[in-house]
Amino acid sequence: KQEVTQIPAALSVPEGENLVLNCSFTDSAIYNLQWFRQDPGKGLTSLLLIQSSQREQTSGRLNASLDKSSGRSTLYIAASQPGDSATYLCAVWNRGSTLGRLYFGRGTQLTVWP
Amino acid sequence: EADIYQTPRYLVIGTGKKITLECSQTMGHDKMYWYQQDPGMELHLIHYSYGVNSTEKGDLSSESTVSRIRTEHFPLTLESARPSHTSQYLCASSVRDRNTEAFFGQGTRLTVV
Repeated sequence: KQEVTQIPAALSVPEGENLVLNCSFTDSAIYNLQWFRQDPGKGLTSLLLIQSSQREQTSGRLNASLDKSSGRSTLYIAASQPGDSATYLCAVWNRGSTLGRLYFGRGTQLTVWP
Repeated sequence: EADIYQTPRYLVIGTGKKITLECSQTMGHDKMYWYQQDPGMELHLIHYSYGVNSTEKGDLSSESTVSRIRTEHFPLTLESARPSHTSQYLCASSVRDRNTEAFFGQGTRLTVV
């Protein structure tokens, strides 16, 4: 069964810092990897989707990389802002069934203070 | 912005009541999912559907049931709510393709007293 681990569990940084969130997964037979943001009491907002054939994806100040063979992904946030404070979730689309399914990590809770 | 909606957003209900959590999407997605999330824990898949009249149980055992009579609608029902059902329930959808992206609703926070 696929297991997804996110490190660190929590991170608190001053505004303006560049930071890296880590995600690892045990089964490299994946279709894609998706990073989400979750604000307290809210649903999930999709940030980036990396297909298994890609090495990285960028959106604004966010850059996500994927190393499928080693089972790792990183989310890089440049010039962090207080508005970036949220929980960031990593999820992998597994090939466990015909059309795949998502497995989630527990998330990294990020606090960016002014 | 994803067009997937969940109602109600918050629900406090007494033990033994029957409840239905609604989920609708206007994107024409074939695949829909229900996840359960407890505070600080990962999301667990409880039900999914590949299309109309197709429903499957997920990884986490759940006493809830689902139906998929229309493509856009995937309601979740608890016949008799218990305090152990207190949790956040998240609905999601995606296209029927391996290179797909999941879109989530805002969630329903259920409290059973």
